[in-house]
Amino acid sequence: GAGVSQSPRYKVAKRGQDVALRCDPISGHVSLFWYQQALGQGPEFLTYFQNEAQLDKSGLPSDRFFAERPEGSVSTLKIQRTQQEDSAVYLCASSLTQGAAEQYFGPGTRLTVT
Amino acid sequence: KQEVTQIPAALSVPEGENLVLNCSFTDSAIYNLQWFRQDPGKGLTSLLLIQSSQREQTSGRLNASLDKSSGRSTLYIAASQPGDSATYLCAVRGNDYKLSFGAGTTVTVRA
Repeated sequence: GAGVSQSPRYKVAKRGQDVALRCDPISGHVSLFWYQQALGQGPEFLTYFQNEAQLDKSGLPSDRFFAERPEGSVSTLKIQRTQQEDSAVYLCASSLTQGAAEQYFGPGTRLTVT
Repeated sequence: KQEVTQIPAALSVPEGENLVLNCSFTDSAIYNLQWFRQDPGKGLTSLLLIQSSQREQTSGRLNASLDKSSGRSTLYIAASQPGDSATYLCAVRGNDYKLSFGAGTTVTVRA
């Protein structure tokens, strides 16, 4: 079956622009996660949804970052007034339930802020 | 906060040699530990998942061990091939749902 998909795969933004990154989880997966991976580093947790409820946003770096999952399926990560330090790969993952052992990752969106 | 360290950061071996990748973590109260593979420009592919009650998992040429009390896991790849060249990431899940990742080990297998 289809895995986790993300779009766009690559995004170049000028500093100060707003961007929106989309994640389509595996159908039926309750839990959805966003991670940020800087160059040469491992992914860092950003936020977590269970269905449409955002249960944890403790990893969001600043109030310029906002995530939503209004119908409990597709999620959007929005970054306002992008800064150069926002350049990274943004990874989305989903799992069947909160307690499920495995998270399945999408291919990521590479954001470059110039 | 859980800290995950992977050593070495990079590894280059000739084809056929066995690979040993190390992962250490600071908080032994984990739910599971997962090894991922990441190819350039790609997402993460799960290789092996070890539950906290398990000592090891095997899949084909891959074997991962877990010593929770000492905060260590080792990934062994037998008889390496050029197609094994990638970055390998170790991730620890605590009793919540978050994964804490190491920075990875970049492996190059020379033909």
